Amino acid sequence: DTGVSQDPRHKITKRGQNVTFRCDPISEHNRLYWYRQTLGQGPEFLTYFQNEAQLEKSRLLSDRFSAERPKGSFSTLEIQRTEQGDSAMYLCASSGSGNQPQHFGDGTRLSIL
Amino acid sequence: DQQVKQNSPSLSVQEGRISILNCDYTNSMFDYFLWYKKYPAEGPTFLISISSIKDKNEDGRFTVFLNKSAKHLSLHIVPSQPGDSAVYFCAAKSGGSYIPTFGRGTSLIVHP
Repeated sequence: DTGVSQDPRHKITKRGQNVTFRCDPISEHNRLYWYRQTLGQGPEFLTYFQNEAQLEKSRLLSDRFSAERPKGSFSTLEIQRTEQGDSAMYLCASSGSGNQPQHFGDGTRLSIL
Repeated sequence: DQQVKQNSPSLSVQEGRISILNCDYTNSMFDYFLWYKKYPAEGPTFLISISSIKDKNEDGRFTVFLNKSAKHLSLHIVPSQPGDSAVYFCAAKSGGSYIPTFGRGTSLIVHP
């Protein structure tokens, strides 16, 4: 079963460092999403790709955040100059066409020291 | 402002009984609704969905009811099993959008 895969599962870093997360979606899915989830909250949308095109970005995605999906397959999410408030679970999801539901990975938990 | 509200942070139910999880929404443009289940240390897993043209959708032990006039939906699990213990997220999206808005979740505990 090749579901959505995220790497790493956990990342601990010092404030001010840059971090990069990777997401490998389900291979036949052309849509890819990034979410952030903090304790007691549901997933909050960050950004969305259709194939390699980044079609939508949330206002939550500050200038320190950048996401890419260079060949329409895997995606990376980079956070520059990390801050305490960036500590969260970062979830990736993918979906096919129409109203097909999103399939989520198990997330990358980021802890900022 | 929360457009999708799950007002009960937790729910405790006896095994074999019915679990009812509630969700309210404020955006009248929402026309497609989903429920996800999440176990600890795992990502959310899609459970069941309903379009606004229906008022009920059933899949095995899981049934979702939609009351458009009240902007309310509920997930019924019958009979509840200990393996159903998880956090349940309600999500909603509007036509033309691929991005659902999630509620904060309800933690369901099913006691043996």
